[in-house]
Order: sequence, then structure tokens, then C-alpha cells
Amino acid sequence: EDQVTQSPEALRLQEGESSSLNCSYTVSGLRGLFWYRQDPGKGPEFLFTLYSAGEEKEKERLKATLTKKESFLHITAPKPEDSATYLCAVQASGGGADGLTFGKGTHLIIQP
Amino acid sequence: ETGVTQTPRHLVMGMTNKKSLKCEQHLGHNAMYWYKQSAKKPLELMFVYNFKEQTENNSVPSRFSPECPNSSHLFLHLHTLQPEDSALYLCASSQDVQGWSTEAFFGQGTRLTVV
Repeated sequence: EDQVTQSPEALRLQEGESSSLNCSYTVSGLRGLFWYRQDPGKGPEFLFTLYSAGEEKEKERLKATLTKKESFLHITAPKPEDSATYLCAVQASGGGADGLTFGKGTHLIIQP
Repeated sequence: ETGVTQTPRHLVMGMTNKKSLKCEQHLGHNAMYWYKQSAKKPLELMFVYNFKEQTENNSVPSRFSPECPNSSHLFLHLHTLQPEDSALYLCASSQDVQGWSTEAFFGQGTRLTVV
């Protein structure tokens, strides 16, 4: 059974204080690992897809990395508008469209 | 505008009511999904449709009935729900290309309250 564990569950940072969110996964053949951002009362917003160990992607203050067992979302000099819940999900290898297995998310609060 | 539109945004229904949730995607994708998001729990995959054919049903109770008339529209028909079915219901779409699926894009969700 595919599993995704995110840590910490919640994180409070001061504006400008860099940190990392962790996503550990167990999957029977990784097709892709996805990071999403979710604001309260809204649907998840796609951020990154990572396909193989060693891959890195960046977008503004966010950088996602991937190893064979986990992924990190690094947040550099965050701003209050980066406050949200960050979700990690995996897609297992298989034929056809498969749904995603999600973690519970990390609730990030950036204080001004 | 996310490209995936869900209606209604909010729904309150009694346990004996019948209602439907609607999802429309404007991205030209060929796969659509229903997810359930409850407090303190990860998103749970409910149904997958690929080229209008249901390919996955994650042991969802029969009081939830999906319908996919074409690759752009997806419905979730609800009847005789229970209070524990109250949750945010999310629709998503992606493009399946020869067994590989692109990232999924989500709608804003329908907040369902069963009273």
C-alpha cells in the first residue's frame, strides 16, 4: 500500500526565516511526486512534479528536491503570503490514469 | 480561473435528500477524479474516470454515484447521506498519455454539510 507521511504537521516561522518541509513516501514504483499548495476553503494548487531521485525544481522562494525515500520543500526567506497548507502526493507506476496518494499536509504560518 | 470549475461551492442537505455535484474541466484532459477531504485526514481518492470509463472505485459507499457523460464533465450524485459524509469534495483532471499521467489540476471544491 502506498503511503505518504509529511512533517512537521504545523510550522510557524518569522518572515525571512528559511526552513524545509519533509515528505517521506513508500510506493510500489514511483511515477511522480507532486507538491501542492492549499489555501483555506480552496482546492489544491499545483506547484511541482518530480520524477526521479536527484531532481530539483524551483519557483520563486520554493525549491523541491527528491531522493529515493523522501522529498523536501525548501522555503527561502518566506513572506506572509506563503502561509498555506503544503501537500505532498505520489503516483505509483501502472497503466492508465491513476489517482494520487496524499499526505496530511504541513500547515505553514509565516508571521510578519 | 483554475480550468476546473465545480458547482455548487456550498451545499447543505438533509439525510433523505438527493443532490448532485458538478465538475467541468476546460483543459482538454482525458482523465477526471473525485476526491474527498475531511478535517485532519489526507485527501482520499474516490473515483477515477479515464476516457469516460470508470477505472477506479476506492470502496466508496453506494450512496455516492459518479457519472461521466464526456471527458469534460463529471458528476457525483448523492443520496441518503450520513453526517460523516460532510466534507470538501474536490474534482480534478489530468492528461493520460500512453500510461503516463500529467499533474492533476483541482477545482475549488464543494463544501458539503449533511444535517
